[in-house]
Amino acid sequence: NAGVMQNPRHLVRRRGQEARLRCSPMKGHSHVYWYRQLPEEGLKFMVYLQKENIIDESGMPKERFSAEFPKEGPSILRIQQVVRGDSAAYFCASSPPLREVSDTQYFGPGTRLTVL
Amino acid sequence: DAKTTQPNSMESNEEEPVHLPCNHSTISGTDYIHWYRQLPSQGPEYVIHGLTSNVNNRMASLAIAEDRKSSTLILHRATLRDAAVYYCIPISGTYKYIFGTGTRLKVLA
Repeated sequence: NAGVMQNPRHLVRRRGQEARLRCSPMKGHSHVYWYRQLPEEGLKFMVYLQKENIIDESGMPKERFSAEFPKEGPSILRIQQVVRGDSAAYFCASSPPLREVSDTQYFGPGTRLTVL
Repeated sequence: DAKTTQPNSMESNEEEPVHLPCNHSTISGTDYIHWYRQLPSQGPEYVIHGLTSNVNNRMASLAIAEDRKSSTLILHRATLRDAAVYYCIPISGTYKYIFGTGTRLKVLA
C-alpha cells in the first residue's frame, strides 16, 4: 500500500542549473498536483495534471517551470536555470480518477530544493 | 474561496484532549471541511473531513457548528507524535487546496 513517492528527497543545485523533481502517485490514482512551500509559509498550488494532460497550471511561474505526467512513468516538475528564490519544499499529491467534491488529495514527503 | 482563521499556536499536555478551532465564516453550502496536519519535514497528512455532521475516525473527531461557520478538530489524547501544524481547508469541488498558516500544536511531555 505504497503512498505517494517523491524523489529525490533533497536536491542541491547551483544557480543556473536544472532541477528535476519526480512524483509517483498512489496506485490507482491518475490525478497529480504539485505544490510549493516556502519557509514558514503554507503550501501554494502550482499545477494539476492528468495522464498526458495539463489541466491547470495557473499557479506555476510562466518562465523556467514546466510539468508533465506521461502515459508511463512518474510526473516530473522541471525547473530550468534555478535561482535562489526557487529554494523551497515541493510537494506532490494525488487523487483517484473519479473526481468528487470531497475528493481527498494524498501528499508525498516532498523534495527539498536548495539553490546555492 | 472561503477564508479561514486559526490560532497561530496551541499547547497541550500529553494524554490530554486537544480542541483545535477553525473559523470559516465565508464557507459556502457545498464546501467540505478538510483537516490536514504537517509533521516536521514531512508532507501534509490527511486527518479528517466533513460537511455538516460531526465525524469520527481513528485519528480524530471533527465537530462542525450548526451554522457551519466554524469547526473544531478534536484529538482525544494528544501524544508527542501529534506535534504538527494543523490546517483546516474548506473545499468545494476544487482541486486547489488553499493552505493558510495553520495552528502549530506543541505537546508537552
